[in-house]
Amino acid sequence: AQRVTQPEKLLSVFKGAPVELKCNYSYSGSPELFWYVQYSRQRLQLLLRHISRESIKGFTADLNKGETSFHLKKPFAQEEDSAMYYCALEISGNTGKLIFGQGTTLQVKP
Amino acid sequence: DAGITQSPRHKVTETGTPVTLRCHQTENHRYMYWYRQDPGHGLRLIHYSYGVKDTDKGEVSDGYSVSRSKTEDFLLTLESATSSQTSVYFCAISEAGQQPYEQYFGPGTRLTVT
Repeated sequence: AQRVTQPEKLLSVFKGAPVELKCNYSYSGSPELFWYVQYSRQRLQLLLRHISRESIKGFTADLNKGETSFHLKKPFAQEEDSAMYYCALEISGNTGKLIFGQGTTLQVKP
Repeated sequence: DAGITQSPRHKVTETGTPVTLRCHQTENHRYMYWYRQDPGHGLRLIHYSYGVKDTDKGEVSDGYSVSRSKTEDFLLTLESATSSQTSVYFCAISEAGQQPYEQYFGPGTRLTVT
């Protein structure tokens, strides 16, 4: 079955602390994975995609096929990182169909 | 923000009434999607379109229908609204030929069915 799991509904950290938002997936093909973010009163937007191997706003995510994971990490959290984060798996390259995880709210306290 | 608008932005309706939500894009993107966002479920795909008059079901399509008569417009219809369809609905678009596909999202429509 195709599935994306984000086990934490809420992750609360202090400013300057490291952050890791967990994402696990189940997929029989070669996975294409994304992290999307929704800041307060803003639209859902792409944060990063694994194929680009880029770092956006200090966040990185490494695809671990052995553990079927795509955890999002940042070494030092900032208050402006507070948002809802969704991990997503592309299940059809022809149509761009995505399966999203349940989402994790990141709260960065001052 | 990509040129995506949704209307209405908020709607309250009664059980059993039909409701149509509109998504309009000015980007000329081929693919359009309707999602619903619910706590504990994240975003779930309702229907999507891969061109004018070409649509297909997503994972939670029961009780919903869609139409796309023009590239720029994608309509979502709840034939007979139920309380379980109270949700926030998001439209998204993406462009073919640029893998993997980034989706651009609209501002959302908050629908309450009483």
